[in-house]
Formats: sequence, structure tokens, C-alpha cells
Amino acid sequence: QKEVEQNSGPLSVPEGAIASLNCTYSDRGSQSFFWYRQYSGKSPELIMSIYSNGDKEDGRFTAQLNKASQYVSLLIRDSQPSDSATYLCAVNMRGFKTIFGAGTRLFVKA
Amino acid sequence: GAVVSQHPSWVICKSGTSVKIECRSLDFQATTMFWYRQFPKQSLMLMATSNEGSKATYEQGVEKDKFLINHASLTLSTLTVTSAHPEDSSFYICSAETSMNTEAFFGQGTRLTVV
Repeated sequence: QKEVEQNSGPLSVPEGAIASLNCTYSDRGSQSFFWYRQYSGKSPELIMSIYSNGDKEDGRFTAQLNKASQYVSLLIRDSQPSDSATYLCAVNMRGFKTIFGAGTRLFVKA
Repeated sequence: GAVVSQHPSWVICKSGTSVKIECRSLDFQATTMFWYRQFPKQSLMLMATSNEGSKATYEQGVEKDKFLINHASLTLSTLTVTSAHPEDSSFYICSAETSMNTEAFFGQGTRLTVV
């Protein structure tokens, strides 16, 4: 079992819709959870971090964490073509190195 | 957020030569830096973890004699690709963390092409 799993996609949504990205992780001791966005040919940039169960909202982005289910998600409201990118879920396990998922490619159609 | 600067952003070198890539944390001290490699349309692959003042920890399958990592100060880590070959052509990215439980801040990445 992979430590951090994501659906590779591509996930295609129309402009203005909600994009839902999901991620599961294997280590129950994980403490910190992150979502990064990576445009083609660029390095990842942090868009959300979440540390406790529940929802965390920042503008059009909402991160959701459920530690009991070992599940973290990212919702993007009012999706824009500029949101088209690969989204990486990352989990910091027990204070050691951060583990990245393989990423989900998102396409927002104008 | 914290700023990590990576240099150069791209480099072309001849097969058999060595290339050095620098990763600097500009506004914080990074006790730990990470080096990743990413091939086109593939995920990030962690190569090694670099701790200031000690030897780097390499991931399985990564040749430590080929990919030399030096973390001489709290703000600088370098990756040297020795005797580069065309199959080493890739996107190399560094990241730094302020402490072990915070987010990773990435450098801009270095696109290496070996001809």
C-alpha cells in the first residue's frame, strides 16, 4: 500500500463548478497535511495546510481532514481555467520527512 | 511564506561533466533540506534528505557517489550531479523546512539537460 494515495486523474470540470480532490494516507500517526499546486514545468507551491479534523477554508479553497478515515480532501469552488494544474497531497508523518502523493491532474474547461 | 531560492533554473551540460545546483533558504534557517527529481508527467521522487553538518540520507536506488549533497550551512545545500549522462536529464527541485512539522517550501527547480 502506498503511503499517500491520490487518483491520478485527469479530473475535468467545467468553469465555475466545484472540483473535489481526494487523498488517503496510511500512517495513523500523521500530524500535518498539505495541498500543493504544480503547474507544468514549475515547482510545487503550497496552497493549503491543515492539522486538525474538520474543514479549513481559504478563499475558494477548502481543505477537509478526517483522521479516523485517514482521508484528506481539497475542494475548489468556482473553478477557473487558471486552476488547471496537478495537485499534490502531502503528509508529514510523525515528525519525519513529508511524503507526497503522485498528484491529481485537474483540467478546468472554459 | 518562506523563500527558497534555487540556482540555476536551467542548465545544459555535456555528457561526462559535473553540474552543481544550489538551494538557499533566504529568510529562515533550514536544518533540513530535501532534494527531489521529477521526470516529465511523473510525480516527485525524493532523492535524499540533507541535514546541516551531517551526511545526507539517500533514498533507496539513488547513487550517493553520483549525486553528491553538501549542506554546509543552515541556509545552503548543494547537489552535484557527477559524470552526468543523458538519462540524468530531469527537473531537480529542492525544498526546505523550518522544523519537522511544518510545510515544505520549494525552490524554483532546475531543469537539467545532458547532451
